[in-house]
Amino acid sequence: QAHLVESGGGVIQPGGSLRLSCVASGFTFSKYGMHWVRQAPGKGLEWVAFIQYDGTRNYYADSVKGRFTISRDVSKDTLYLEMNSLRIEDTAVYYCAKPGAMTWYLQARGAVDCWGQGTLVTVSS
Amino acid sequence: QAVLTQPPSVSGAPGQRVTISCTGSSSNIGAGYDVHWYQQLPGTAPKLLIYDTNYRPSGVPDRFSGSKSGTSASLAITGLQPEDEAYYYCQSYDSPLSGSLFGGGTKLNVL
Repeated sequence: QAHLVESGGGVIQPGGSLRLSCVASGFTFSKYGMHWVRQAPGKGLEWVAFIQYDGTRNYYADSVKGRFTISRDVSKDTLYLEMNSLRIEDTAVYYCAKPGAMTWYLQARGAVDCWGQGTLVTVSS
Repeated sequence: QAVLTQPPSVSGAPGQRVTISCTGSSSNIGAGYDVHWYQQLPGTAPKLLIYDTNYRPSGVPDRFSGSKSGTSASLAITGLQPEDEAYYYCQSYDSPLSGSLFGGGTKLNVL
């Protein structure tokens, strides 16, 4: 049973930086690409970033491109999201999410079958 | 900018059938990419409801079904139950974006 646990959220001033972590268990982390998805308070889901299973390709939403960096450490079964130049509009619960597809080239476009509990990032002065 | 459009809310009485639409464009749903649906209860993470347009994960009742035509997709829920009251989100892949898109979400009210 796949399980994801995020951490690293908190209150940060505009322009600041924060790194989120997501520890994976219950599946072979090195075989799966991973997403970050966020949800602003009272709003819908927004895809943020995806990293390919081998870490060789990353993709970002336009809203975070150039400011956020997704990475992974397979030795620690951990996914990261480095967030710089944070803006008030980045305030959200951040979820890490695992695709259900086992075939690597289908993972970026496939459904998410496991979500973490989320970690809240609040950008405020 | 690519978007997936859902109605803000739909309503139905217990036992009735409702549908939730998800309208995209030629760069996502219309390009042939699958659509996935999620249910989200307040304060919880989303739960996968339908994947690859019309497949249900184990444990999801067959009251839930999905379909797709052209640039749109739909989630149908039959035999509405009070516990179905939740937010529902569609998701697809957008080629120019090289990433996922989520619809804005639909609140299902069970009257």
